[in-house]
Formats: sequence, C-alpha cells, structure tokens
Amino acid sequence: SQQGEEDPQALSIQEGENATMNCSYKTSINNLQWYRQNSGRGLVHLILIRSNEREKHSGRLRVTLDTSKKSSSLLITASRAADTASYFCATYWNTGGFKTIFGAGTRLFVKA
Amino acid sequence: DAGVTQSPTHLIKTRGQQVTLRCSPKSGHDTVSWYQQALGQGPQFIFQYYEEEERQRGNFPDRFSGHQFPNYSSELNVNALLLGDSALYLCASSITGGANTEAFFGQGTRLTVV
Repeated sequence: SQQGEEDPQALSIQEGENATMNCSYKTSINNLQWYRQNSGRGLVHLILIRSNEREKHSGRLRVTLDTSKKSSSLLITASRAADTASYFCATYWNTGGFKTIFGAGTRLFVKA
Repeated sequence: DAGVTQSPTHLIKTRGQQVTLRCSPKSGHDTVSWYQQALGQGPQFIFQYYEEEERQRGNFPDRFSGHQFPNYSSELNVNALLLGDSALYLCASSITGGANTEAFFGQGTRLTVV
C-alpha cells in the first residue's frame, strides 16, 4: 500500500484563493517532499522538509510537518490558473536502504 | 545542465514483446530510481540502482529488470509485456545520502501495450 496518502483527491478553487492539501504517512521518515505534475508529465520538485523541521516556506508555498501525527500539509497562497496540476507528497525513508514513496496525489483545478 | 533525460518519450509495443527504456541522470547524481505511474495514480517505486547494483526493489515481478552503467545512466527492461504494463515510466536521479536528498525527475516514457 502507499506510504503517503493525500487528501483531498481533487480540489477546485477560484484564482486568488488559497489551496490546502494534506498528506498522511505510516512510518518514520527522514524527510517529506512535495512534487507537482502537469498533465501526466515529469514531476517537478517543490519543497523538501526534514523530519526535524516543522514548517518551511518557498515563495507562495508553505509546508508543515507534524511527525507525531505523521502528517504534512501544503498551502498554496493566492493561487493562479498555472497552479492547476496534480500534487504529490513523497516520503523518504529507510527500509534497509533509502527510497522515495509517493501517494496517489491531489488534483488541483484553479479556475480563472 | 540537461537534467534528467529519458528516451524514448513515447512507445507502442505489442503484448508479449520486450521493451528497454533509458535514463541519463542529472550531472553529479549517482543514484537512479524507476517508477511506474498508471493513469490517475501516483508513481509506484520499481527499483533503485546505485554503484551499478540494484539496491532497493518495490513490489514488481521479475519481468522488470534494470541496469546501471559506469556513467550512472540506467536502463529499465520489461519482458513479456502485458496490457497492464501500459503506463508512464519515470526515472529519478539523486545523490545518495540521508535526510536532505532531493530527487529530480525526467519527463517520462509513455508506454502503450496493445
């Protein structure tokens, strides 16, 4: 089963609104990363938060991590039509070697 | 820096055939991971190569095999193709390490099995 699970599965908002996506995971992690994917193309790395960090910012992106609840959230402020994409969280963890495991993603639709 | 490059971009194969996909990692990266992404799903981890050896493997049958070359480039081979193997195959490269490892992805190879 997936290590990370995103919620909601899909989100539709108006341009200028904020979008919040959540991710839950199951085991201890080294870091958690958020990626964006446009129309089934390659994934673009957005932000990485380490297990000892609680919050991180990058431009209009804000990521939080709560290791006690095994959850993370991605906030996109002042959304734009160009933010329309699928967003995935990925957990990087040691299972006898390191690998990055993805959730099923949140599909964000930003209407102009 | 060309980033991660994958070839081909699209491929159509017949059930039962074999296919080879290729990946060149980002400059300076030594680890290559392969993922399969079915339509509407998240990427599923296939395996990871480091120092020319398979280091980690996901829940995929032995029909899926790979190789890493001394220049860190990698191939993914799939034998006896099934219709269900139709997917976007993504390659990611990274520098082996611990808590601050970021993976860079290629644009993927879209495989269609008919």
